[in-house]
Amino acid sequence: QVQLVESGGDMVQPGTSLRLSCVASGITFSTSVFHWVRQAPGKGLEWVAVMSTDGSYKGYADSVKGQFTISRDNSKNTLYLQMSSLRAEDTALYYCAKEKAPHDAFDLWGPGTLVTVSS
Amino acid sequence: EIGMTQSPATLSVSPGERATLSCRASQSVGNKLAWYQRKPGQPPRLLIYGVSTRATGIPARFSGSGSGTDFILTISSLESEDFAVYYCQQYSHYYTFGQGTKLEIK
Repeated sequence: QVQLVESGGDMVQPGTSLRLSCVASGITFSTSVFHWVRQAPGKGLEWVAVMSTDGSYKGYADSVKGQFTISRDNSKNTLYLQMSSLRAEDTALYYCAKEKAPHDAFDLWGPGTLVTVSS
Repeated sequence: EIGMTQSPATLSVSPGERATLSCRASQSVGNKLAWYQRKPGQPPRLLIYGVSTRATGIPARFSGSGSGTDFILTISSLESEDFAVYYCQQYSHYYTFGQGTKLEIK
């Protein structure tokens, strides 16, 4: 079955760290470009980060640059998002998404994992 | 950063009627424009990419048009399952989503 499944979301206190995972199945993980996208409560979709197939390229939204790190393990079909120094404004539903083709739209999304940052 | 502005924020349309949703980019994105549908409790679903190409399994009543900075998503005859929030996205320079248009039943 073709799917992405995120995990690792939790309720945490401000200033702490969290690592999200996204496991892919039914696709050729190593040849796909993946992204993290988030949606804060009552807000729209916000692109967070992208990683190339071999990990040689990473890109980040200005809002998370220096705070979040994207990585992948092609041997485990898994994408990660390491989040540090979390703030209340990082509270969101975090999705991983696959590019349809290089430099193309996102054709496969996971159901999302919820991160809540609150004291 | 390329800004994406969608209008209207909310669109009320009756089933069977046509819906027209707009998206404007702050600078040209060429043909790197996609539309997504999002229903409550579900992840976004790709509808249209490359301005006007329907994604796999998307009904023909969905169509996209436009170029450069101004784009349109048209749903020719609304069905009950089409009432949702729609987002445009540019992927010309990094990635930006519009704020969404909520399509509601009139």
